[in-house]
Amino acid sequence: ETGVTQTPRHLVMGMTNKKSLKCEQHLGHNAMYWYKQSAKKPLELMFVYNFKEQTENNSVPSRFSPECPNSSHLFLHLHTLQPEDSALYLCASSQAKGGTGGAHPTDTQYFGPGTRLTVL
Amino acid sequence: SQQGEEDPQALSIQEGENATMNCSYKTSINNLQWYRQNSGRGLVHLILIRSNEREKHSGRLRVTLDTSKKSSSLLITASRAADTASYFCATDEMGAQKLVFGQGTRLTINP
Repeated sequence: ETGVTQTPRHLVMGMTNKKSLKCEQHLGHNAMYWYKQSAKKPLELMFVYNFKEQTENNSVPSRFSPECPNSSHLFLHLHTLQPEDSALYLCASSQAKGGTGGAHPTDTQYFGPGTRLTVL
Repeated sequence: SQQGEEDPQALSIQEGENATMNCSYKTSINNLQWYRQNSGRGLVHLILIRSNEREKHSGRLRVTLDTSKKSSSLLITASRAADTASYFCATDEMGAQKLVFGQGTRLTINP
């Protein structure tokens, strides 16, 4: 569908499990994002990485831990989650328009298909 | 905080008719974007309109922006069954450094 892939597409885990979500973008972009989409709530920005550096942590609980080893890959490590963390987790990427400062988070974003997470 | 709010929350029309969705926001913006999401999938960018623009077109899509009223509309002409999806507006609030999405309009096109 787009140049952003996410694995796994579905994940069921217990509250004591540790799992990781993976995102990969094939668009040559230099910024990547994690969003959470819960039922009947607006899309929530969780983390922003510009040129592999985290530039935004939108008051996300520490049970979510992002990792960006390079500009093409983004992970979200999960541990000790709660049932209310069940949601669709979306990854997105964007491209800086040149110059300094990296990609502006409000540039056009390209989304992956998401990981449907269920916490039991 | 929620910036863009779409109206209506749900819209059901017959194939071939035009669909209009509205988005209202509260603060000054740099740009406003519309995205589409098919059920359980990722969002797809449709169109971006900057604060100094009033109207943009892309194929069957027409977006207007009225900064004095802090509102935008998305018009889909000659709707098709494949247009069935949720549509979100996202605002680039000045100084916020992030897109803020609304809750979306669920559009259903009936054959």
